[in-house]
Amino acid sequence: AQKVTQAQTEISVVEKEDVTLDCVYETRDTTYYLFWYKQPPSGELVFLIRRNSFDEQNEISGRYSWNFQKSTSSFNFTITASQVVDSAVYFCAMGKVPGGYQKVTFGTGTKLQVIP
Amino acid sequence: EAQVTQNPRYLITVTGKKLTVTCSQNMNHEYMSWYRQDPGLGLRQIYYSMNVEVTDKGDVPEGYKVSRKEKRNFPLILESPSPNQTSLYFCASRDDRWGGETQYFGPGTRLLVL
Repeated sequence: AQKVTQAQTEISVVEKEDVTLDCVYETRDTTYYLFWYKQPPSGELVFLIRRNSFDEQNEISGRYSWNFQKSTSSFNFTITASQVVDSAVYFCAMGKVPGGYQKVTFGTGTKLQVIP
Repeated sequence: EAQVTQNPRYLITVTGKKLTVTCSQNMNHEYMSWYRQDPGLGLRQIYYSMNVEVTDKGDVPEGYKVSRKEKRNFPLILESPSPNQTSLYFCASRDDRWGGETQYFGPGTRLLVL
């Protein structure tokens, strides 16, 4: 069975600080996908990124960056120069791909509050 | 506009009264899925479907049924709702079976079972 752990339940930072959200996963599969989603206070779920298990290259998108390390089974998410609009619950998720079908397991989420 | 719609958005019902939450997508996606979100538990997958007439259980399928008779629709059925099914439900669709770049979520359905 696969498992995703987000140990940080809530984080508060002051605007413009950098913040890293941790994600640790467990799986016996050699091929899998990792995702991050954002859920702002309005409740919708917004897809942020997908990473394949065979691609450990880090990715940067504006103020967002992701650090994927298979050696530690981690897929951490960093927000640089945080803004109030970054306040949301962030979910890390893992997709299992047996024969082309995908089951997705989410972590419990990290609530980020950015204080002005 | 590409979107996933869910109806109803809010529902209060009583134990044992069958209900259906509809989900529809206008993007011709093959993959659709249902999740429930509960405090402290994150999102848990209930059922998913890779195409018409192809469905499979997620992590928490007990007490739910689904059907996929048309590509665009993926209704979630609660035959005999119980209070422990009070939750926020999300439907999602994606554009390819290998985990396309974007999974679209519906706006959510908040269900209260008394």
